Amino acid sequence: DTAVSQTPKYLVTQMGNDKSIKCEQNLGHDTMYWYKQDSKKFLKIMFSYNNKELIINETVPNRFSPKSPDKAHLNLHINSLELGDSAVYFCASSLVGGKETQYFGPGTRLLVL
Amino acid sequence: AQSVSQHNHHVILSEAASLELGCNYSYGGTVNLFWYVQYPGQHLQLLLKYFSGDPLVKGIKGFEAEFIKSKFSFNLRKPSVQWSDTAEYFCAVKGNAGNMLTFGGGTRLMVKP
Repeated sequence: DTAVSQTPKYLVTQMGNDKSIKCEQNLGHDTMYWYKQDSKKFLKIMFSYNNKELIINETVPNRFSPKSPDKAHLNLHINSLELGDSAVYFCASSLVGGKETQYFGPGTRLLVL
Repeated sequence: AQSVSQHNHHVILSEAASLELGCNYSYGGTVNLFWYVQYPGQHLQLLLKYFSGDPLVKGIKGFEAEFIKSKFSFNLRKPSVQWSDTAEYFCAVKGNAGNMLTFGGGTRLMVKP
């Protein structure tokens, strides 16, 4: 069984479009995350979200917005896509707390043309 | 703010060579430390983690890491690497009360058969 899944796996789109990436976890975790991995493999947290709190990395443009229909899902919506948004986006989940391990999804490779 | 530094960006080894990847962190409080591995085209997987107790932690696939508090380091080691260890390795830190992981820049390991 897939613990953390993401769709789509690949996404190719034009500049200016709006797109969403979906993430689902079946681990019963209460916290989910979105990370961006750039072309140099550098990984950076974008959001941390549980049913009580959304924490946004201040460097994330407000074109990016997480949406959580329920505890098991955290989708990433991106408005007005730019070339610099091209990256691999990883979803992750964990139980709340510093000692908890985060489990990552397979990633969504986004290419903006 | 917490930060993680991995000084070796690229490492090339022959099979059976010993491996040590450096990781230094900056954080003012109690930290939880992680090493993740990303095999080519795959998602991040946890290799090992340190929360407290014995500073020498053992992970999967023969990897181990040593937490040296005085040096703010958490170096990853393996006595004898295999071709299948070719991957990107990421050190990460999380505060005791927080959720968000801060990653180092990653080290790309290539093992020659």
